[in-house]
Amino acid sequence: NAGVTQTPKFQVLKTGQSMTLQCAQDMNHNSMYWYRQDPGMGLRLIYYSASEGTTDKGEVPNGYNVSRLNKREFSLRLESAAPSQTSVYFCASTESNTEAFFGQGTRLTVV
Amino acid sequence: AQSVTQLGSHVSVSEGALVLLRCNYSSSVPPYLFWYVQYPNQGLQLLLKYTTGATLVKGINGFEAEFKKSETSFHLTKPSAHMSDAAEYFCAVSDNPHLSGGYQKVTFGIGTKLQVIP
Repeated sequence: NAGVTQTPKFQVLKTGQSMTLQCAQDMNHNSMYWYRQDPGMGLRLIYYSASEGTTDKGEVPNGYNVSRLNKREFSLRLESAAPSQTSVYFCASTESNTEAFFGQGTRLTVV
Repeated sequence: AQSVTQLGSHVSVSEGALVLLRCNYSSSVPPYLFWYVQYPNQGLQLLLKYTTGATLVKGINGFEAEFKKSETSFHLTKPSAHMSDAAEYFCAVSDNPHLSGGYQKVTFGIGTKLQVIP
């Protein structure tokens, strides 16, 4: 049982480049999330998907887009990367009355 | 709207001493409350959770937390710190999914880094 799998684990981008962070969960959870973690700021919600076919903005959505491809997969896209998007990105999934399960994170550096 | 406040971004304790990490929350509905731990270069993993029922909840690695509705608090404690407890700890709150239409939005605090001094 892999839980939540994120790819890639590390990425360096140049300003203006685009990329997609992939996330897949094998726990049949309805809800999936993307967070970014920055020093002194904890985890901030970028986007979430309450169920397959729906997505909503979180606290810091600017510069990002998401796709809930199916129940298992929830991707995060940076269309034009900026240095301010240097961060560690975490994908998570939950089901009612349970805890959030997190991936191992993607360390993104934008130069 | 819900929010979480963790008092103290860094806490240092001596090995064997009491660990107390503070968390206060706000929520418009009865909350679910969680503590997560993050070790370096890893994702978050659940330490313990409160949903309903007994207000004192026990988690892994000897940690426990008490839900105090009157104080809107969910402080994390461990009687005796171990070197392996050095990590970052996050308090989180979510709406009761049974009251919020089945969807569970989770809000995290900024985290508290625990240092254990030998």
